[in-house]
Amino acid sequence: AQSVTQLDSQVPVFEEAPVELRCNYSSSVSVYLFWYVQYPNQGLQLLLKYLSGSTLVESINGFEAEFNKSQTSFHLRKPSVHISDTAEYFCAVSENTGGFKTIFGAGTRLFVKA
Amino acid sequence: GAVVSQHPSRVICKSGTSVKIECRSLDFQATTMFWYRQFPKQSLMLMATSNEGSKATYEQGVEKDKFLINHASLTLSTLTVTSAHPEDSSFYICSALAGAASDTQYFGPGTRLTVL
Repeated sequence: AQSVTQLDSQVPVFEEAPVELRCNYSSSVSVYLFWYVQYPNQGLQLLLKYLSGSTLVESINGFEAEFNKSQTSFHLRKPSVHISDTAEYFCAVSENTGGFKTIFGAGTRLFVKA
Repeated sequence: GAVVSQHPSRVICKSGTSVKIECRSLDFQATTMFWYRQFPKQSLMLMATSNEGSKATYEQGVEKDKFLINHASLTLSTLTVTSAHPEDSSFYICSALAGAASDTQYFGPGTRLTVL
């Protein structure tokens, strides 16, 4: 069975500073990896995903994540955050064996301060 | 992009009553939908996997007689919380896969259930 660990429950950061949200996973088979963002009282929105190919994936709003198989990590980064990036971020993993059952990490609250 | 809606967005009910939550894929057919539950400031917990035309597959610890799931069409799945109690109060979120070969879940906006 797979599992996901998000090491930081909260990450406060000043506007325009860089940020990294950490995610580690465990699985005995190959996986798909995802980052989702959740704004207050809303559902989840897909931020970016890794399925195969290039290990560096990017979102349209400046976030990127790199799949590191040896370290079983999929950390999310942004070089310069905005106030509007304040939200809850969830890392998720699903095993690449059909069925598509997805396990979510506990979430990291990114709080961007002015 | 693929859109998933949920109705209602918020519902308040009395203890002992049943509540039905609808999840619809608006612009695509979803052979598989998922139902999650999210407690305040916590992650999503998968409750069940719903496949069109067949019985839902429930996760361990989720009472199937308590949380009835019906996936009667390729665009609609419903979750009925039967004989609701205050401990059932939560944020319920559905998601849908856009086809059997899809690799991305599209999430609904969620339903906030409060049981008095």
